[in-house]
Parts: sequence; structure tokens; C-alpha cells
Amino acid sequence: AQSVTQLDSQVPVFEEAPVELRCNYSSSVSVYLFWYVQYPNQGLQLLLKYLSGSTLVKGINGFEAEFNKSQTSFHLRKPSVHISDTAEYFCAVSDRNFNKFYFGSGTKLNVKP
Amino acid sequence: GAVVSQHPSRVICKSGTSVKIECRSLDFQATTMFWYRQFPKQSLMLMATSNEGSKATYEQGVEKDKFLINHASLTLSTLTVTSAHPEDSSFYICSAYVRNTEAFFGQGTRLTVV
Repeated sequence: AQSVTQLDSQVPVFEEAPVELRCNYSSSVSVYLFWYVQYPNQGLQLLLKYLSGSTLVKGINGFEAEFNKSQTSFHLRKPSVHISDTAEYFCAVSDRNFNKFYFGSGTKLNVKP
Repeated sequence: GAVVSQHPSRVICKSGTSVKIECRSLDFQATTMFWYRQFPKQSLMLMATSNEGSKATYEQGVEKDKFLINHASLTLSTLTVTSAHPEDSSFYICSAYVRNTEAFFGQGTRLTVV
């Protein structure tokens, strides 16, 4: 089985500042890794995913994440955030058959002017 | 990318009634669909896995007689919340995937039981 830990439940940050949202996972098998964003009362939107290849993954809206196998981490970063990035972000893992997704508890990013 | 359509987006129902939520894959055939539930301020929890043409597999603690899942075709899965109670109020999200590719999520259904 897999599990995902998002260490920060809330991250306040000022506009145009950099941000990092942390995600650690545990798994006995190789996994795929994902970051999703959820705006209030909406579903999930895929930000980026790591399936294989380069460990630095670039996604939409200027976000990127780095897969670190030794540290079992997949932290999400953005060099300069906007007010519109205020949302909840979920890290997720799945096995390589996409049989199930396991989600972290989410991190609320609050971008202040 | 592929589109998963979930309907309705919001529903309010009276306690004791049943509510059906539909999840459709619009431009691909989904061999498997998943149903998740999200409580306020919490993450998504997998409720059940729905395979076309067979019975759904429910996660531990999920009442299969209360949350009826039907996957009648490769493009449609339905979740029926039977005899709904206020504690069933939640955000329900479906997900569909095709083998060896990625999963796609619906936009979610906000269920409020009054």
C-alpha cells in the first residue's frame, strides 16, 4: 500500500514570493506521483505528474516539482506566486497500474497581497 | 485531454430520499472508475472502485447497501446515495482511467442533505 504525507496544512505567503509545498510518500512498489489543485467547490485539476524520466517536472501555471527517490519526496515549487494561486493543493500517488490514488491531506496556499 | 463529466454539480435533498450522481467519460472508454468522498477540510478518501460489467469493490468502512454503484457501460458509472442523512452531506468526486494511461477526475458533486 501507499501513503502520502503533506506536512503543512496551511501555507501563507505574500504575492510574488516563492513557495514550496512539501510532500512525502511511502510505498513498497514503484509509483507515479501527482500534484492537483482544487479551487473552492470545484473538482481536481492536474498541475503536474511524474511518471518517469527527468526528476524535475514542470506543470501548468508556473509550478514545478522534483522527484527525490532517496528522500521519497515530491515537493511542489513556484518561484513567484500570484493571488490567483490561492487554493488547496493535493499530492497523490498511484501504483503503476493506476489502480488507486492515495491523496495527502492537502495544503491550503493563501497568497496575500 | 480526456474529459470526465459529473452530474449534478450540486444537489440538495431531504433526509430519507435517494440521490443519484452520474459520472461519464466523454471522449474515451473507461474500464475502471473510482468514487471518492471529501469531507470539509479533509482530503479525498476512496470509497469504491467500479469495474464495467462487474460488482464494485468497496473500501473498508463504506456501506455498499447505502452507496450503490453501477457501471453499466464503458462510459457511465453512477453512485446512488440511498436513504440519505445529513451526515452523508459531502463532496463526491469520480475518477476514470484507461489502463496504462492516467486518471481523469470529474468536477465533483456537492451533496447537501437537509
